[in-house]
Amino acid sequence: DAKTTQPTSMDCAEGRAANLPCNHSTISGNEYVYWYRQIHSQGPQYIIHGLKNNETNEMASLIITEDRKSSTLILPHATLRDTAVYYCIVRVAVLSGSARQLTFGSGTQLTVLP
Amino acid sequence: NAGVTQTPKFQVLKTGQSMTLQCAQDMNHEYMSWYRQDPGMGLRLIHYSVGAGITDQGEVPNGYNVSRSTTEDFPLRLLSAAPSQTSVYFCASSTDRGNEKLFFGSGTQLSVL
Repeated sequence: DAKTTQPTSMDCAEGRAANLPCNHSTISGNEYVYWYRQIHSQGPQYIIHGLKNNETNEMASLIITEDRKSSTLILPHATLRDTAVYYCIVRVAVLSGSARQLTFGSGTQLTVLP
Repeated sequence: NAGVTQTPKFQVLKTGQSMTLQCAQDMNHEYMSWYRQDPGMGLRLIHYSVGAGITDQGEVPNGYNVSRSTTEDFPLRLLSAAPSQTSVYFCASSTDRGNEKLFFGSGTQLSVL
């Protein structure tokens, strides 16, 4: 799976949009971009994923550049509860087996400030 | 739906003791897995199962056993606990269709003295 690079930490004011970047310059054509987050002392939580089109759900939006070498997770109106470590993961679509393993890097610590 | 339920939340063991970490899901997911999370190491896959009666090893399987007698349950057994197994353990599940999302439990924090 392609390697990802994320900033170590970011701050965001409550109520403002949080834009979390991820670089995945070695991504292959059949690899998806996933975002998970982990709030302190909890299990990771799926946020969103996409292949090449921008995606939006009730939690966030995912913007993938046309060359697919980078992406941005957008939390449109950050709240204090969004303070967490955010992981950008690139993984090929597979049917089953150990390849389903997600490789969580260090992620970005997002702190939402009141 | 309760999702993925793990018990216990905390456990302290002495070296050499055995114990079972429980994991149950009520989403009828075929795929279940166990991860451990250590500082600076990310999450590492221990064992996984693609359905009842089928299990396989992940990245760090030594010292752990699993079984999958039902779709709902996937217990992780530590045969003879060692201090190196001090970690936070997460169970996860998903449907068996490929690029779907994983649902994680809230974790078990294990200390081996």
